[in-house]
Amino acid sequence: GAVVSQHPSWVICKSGTSVKIECRSLDFQATTMFWYRQFPKQSLMLMATSNEGSKATYEQGVEKDKFLINHASLTLSTLTVTSAHPEDSSFYICSARDGQVERLRDTEAFFGQGTRLTVV
Amino acid sequence: SQQGEEDPQALSIQEGENATMNCSYKTSINNLQWYRQNSGRGLVHLILIRSNEREKHSGRLRVTLDTSKKSSSLLITASRAADTASYFCATDPSTGGFKTIFGAGTRLFVKA
Repeated sequence: GAVVSQHPSWVICKSGTSVKIECRSLDFQATTMFWYRQFPKQSLMLMATSNEGSKATYEQGVEKDKFLINHASLTLSTLTVTSAHPEDSSFYICSARDGQVERLRDTEAFFGQGTRLTVV
Repeated sequence: SQQGEEDPQALSIQEGENATMNCSYKTSINNLQWYRQNSGRGLVHLILIRSNEREKHSGRLRVTLDTSKKSSSLLITASRAADTASYFCATDPSTGGFKTIFGAGTRLFVKA
């Protein structure tokens, strides 16, 4: 099946610094990627939809200036957590759909392995 | 959760027993998917059922979908200790793009 690679798998950063997380579709083109956030023992909350070549669409309550998303190519989307604070510590997961077949509306989303961010 | 609820929130069973998890959602959908997540790790896709399907099987998994009730169930038969994980249903709403929205999840613990 299709593979989505997320990097890094974990990162520890100091409060006030910025962290960039990459999400790559390895064997398919993804016009659309999605970023989720998951707190311990909770479900995945959709943060934003990343569209190749255009601005990301953020879900209600998600600060776009805090979580910068760039989708510069059909295989790469990045999420930058700016001026990170301890409350930003979480598990961040990206997903992507194969742009060739998404019109069929019955394809699964492929998920990266996640990035555990710890802000100290 | 953004889309719906799952019950039970937690389930503890003995190895060999069946485990049933239920999921309800709020909007009309294109399809519904079930995922497994081991503690602190990524998601494993289990099964996808389309909105025009009522039941689907994959190995020890059986998924049902009732669009009139906006609900789905996941049955794991003859459970194993290795099935211990969190299970999430996720839906693709039929409007608003191709985003996948997750339910609250069920934490399954299978005792050996």
